[in-house]
Amino acid sequence: GAGVSQSPSNKVTEKGKDVELRCDPISGHTALYWYRQSLGQGLEFLIYFQGNSAPDKSGLPSDRFSAERTGGSVSTLTIQRTQQEDSAVYLCASSPFSGTDTDTQYFGPGTRLTVL
Amino acid sequence: SQELEQSPQSLIVQEGKNLTINCTSSKTLYGLYWYKQKYGEGLIFLMMLQKGGEEKSHEKITAKLDEKKQQSSLHITASQPSHAGIYLCGAEPTDAGGTSYGKLTFGQGTILTVHP
Repeated sequence: GAGVSQSPSNKVTEKGKDVELRCDPISGHTALYWYRQSLGQGLEFLIYFQGNSAPDKSGLPSDRFSAERTGGSVSTLTIQRTQQEDSAVYLCASSPFSGTDTDTQYFGPGTRLTVL
Repeated sequence: SQELEQSPQSLIVQEGKNLTINCTSSKTLYGLYWYKQKYGEGLIFLMMLQKGGEEKSHEKITAKLDEKKQQSSLHITASQPSHAGIYLCGAEPTDAGGTSYGKLTFGQGTILTVHP
């Protein structure tokens, strides 16, 4: 079946603009994760959605970052007033379930964000 | 927080050679994941290890988790150019009761280059 998809694949924006990144998880997966990958910082957890539970936002670097997951499926990561340090690859992952046992996260291809 | 250290940071080998990548944790690992990433692409799941002493193989790649569950190794036999990429180990944080929380912490990655 289809894997995790993300859009856009590349996004170039000007400093101060808002951006929205989209993630379509694997159908039926209840857990959804956002990560950020940048030079020097490696791969960092941002936010995690599990079913109808309140999301774990502990990895969001500032209040300019927010994410929503509508209908338990598609998720949107929004970055307001982008800064150059926001430039990174934003990766989304989904898994069948989480919080009660280990299970595998499947990653999308990522969105490469460049803030000029 | 759990920290993962990978070694080496980069590796250049001749096609046909064997190689090993290590991942060491500061805490006991609950679930240890190995992923591969090609430049500009998402993470491809390779294997997950959970039990002390566990070993899994897929084609020419073997991953092991030591008995103490604090170190994992990824071994590639008879490397090929198709093995080139970035190898990342990831682990789930756990509480004292051993409950995992889904979000992964990753090592900094090992860049593998295989010369034909």
